[in-house]
Parts: sequence; C-alpha cells; structure tokens
Amino acid sequence: QKEVEQDPGPLSVPEGAIVSLNCTYSNSAFQYFMWYRQYSRKGPELLMYTYSSGNKEDGRFTAQVDKSSKYISLFIRDSQPSDSATYLCAMSFSNDYKLSFGAGTTVTVRA
Amino acid sequence: NAGVTQTPKFQVLKTGQSMTLQCAQDMNHEYMSWYRQDPGMGLRLIHYSVGAGITDQGEVPNGYNVSRSTTEDFPLRLLSAAPSQTSVYFCATGLAGYNEQFFGPGTRLTVL
Repeated sequence: QKEVEQDPGPLSVPEGAIVSLNCTYSNSAFQYFMWYRQYSRKGPELLMYTYSSGNKEDGRFTAQVDKSSKYISLFIRDSQPSDSATYLCAMSFSNDYKLSFGAGTTVTVRA
Repeated sequence: NAGVTQTPKFQVLKTGQSMTLQCAQDMNHEYMSWYRQDPGMGLRLIHYSVGAGITDQGEVPNGYNVSRSTTEDFPLRLLSAAPSQTSVYFCATGLAGYNEQFFGPGTRLTVL
C-alpha cells in the first residue's frame, strides 16, 4: 500500500463548476500538507500549504485537512480552462523536508 | 532572480553512458533535492541535501550520485545509465525551517 493515495482521474468538468480533489494517507505522523499544480511539461508549482486540521482559503482555492480521517482535499471554485492541469498532493513529517507525493489527478475544465 | 534552473531540458543517452544533470538556485535556500517523476508513480525522492557538504539518500537512490560543494548547485550524476532511468527529473529547493519546496522546470531523460 502506498503511503499517499490519490485518484488519478482524469476529471473533466464544465467551466464554472467546482472541482473537488482528494488524497488519503496511511501515516498519521504527517504534519504538513501541500497541493501542487503541474501544467503539461512544466515543473510542479506550489498552490496551497497547510499545517493543521481545518480549512485554508486562497482566492478560488480551498484546502481542507482532516487528520482524524487522514484525508485532505482541494476545492477549486468557479473553475476556468486555465485550471486544466495535474494536481499533486504532497505531505511531510515535522522537521523533515522529504515530501511524499500522491500520483496526481489530471483535471480538464471545458470551456 | 531566476529561481531554480535545470540543464539540460532534454537528453537522450545510450545504455551505459554517464551524464550529470545540473541544478542551480539563486534563492539562498539551504535545502535541495532531486525527484524523478514517472507515469502513475507521482514524484519520488532520489537524493537530498540540507546544506553544502551534506547529502543523504531518498527513496530511490540506486544508480545516482550527488554532491553539494556550494549552496547554489546540486548536480545529479548518472554513473551508467539504464533504460529504467528514463524519466523526468526535477530539482527542488526549500528554506530551512519551512517544509514547502519549490521546483525547477525539469529535465526529460531518455535512455535507449
């Protein structure tokens, strides 16, 4: 069993829809949680970074962490064609720079 | 301020050849690391460094060497390339005390 599980999709939604992405993890010692966006043939770009359980909002993006269920989510409101990308979840232990990644979910937003 | 740069962008090698992938950063980040990305596997850590002169192995280190003589540079060496090393390689950097990391544009390597 992989440490971090992420449904690879692909996910296709119409413009303006809410995109919901999630990851589950097996190691309860993970403390830091990140979401990266990766456009085709580009490097991953940090989108959201959270530490504690709860919600964090940044514009159209909301990251949710539920440590009791070992489950994290990313919501994209009012999705745009420019949001079409692969979204990767990543997590790390406290005082440890090594990141464990999910496989990534490919999202297409149709105009 | 270029951030994280990687060279070359693309490379084709024959089995058994050696090469060095370059990574440079101008953000004065202490932490640097190398990941490889394969379809369906996500990113996997190869080697990392928490500062000049200090390196350690990640999840998939076999077949790769690293060294860190300066804060700015962290080259990845393939000693004898194998087809299993065909992948996209990313360098990442981070500031000490912070867990988030910033990635370079990647090097696409094909080993025939």
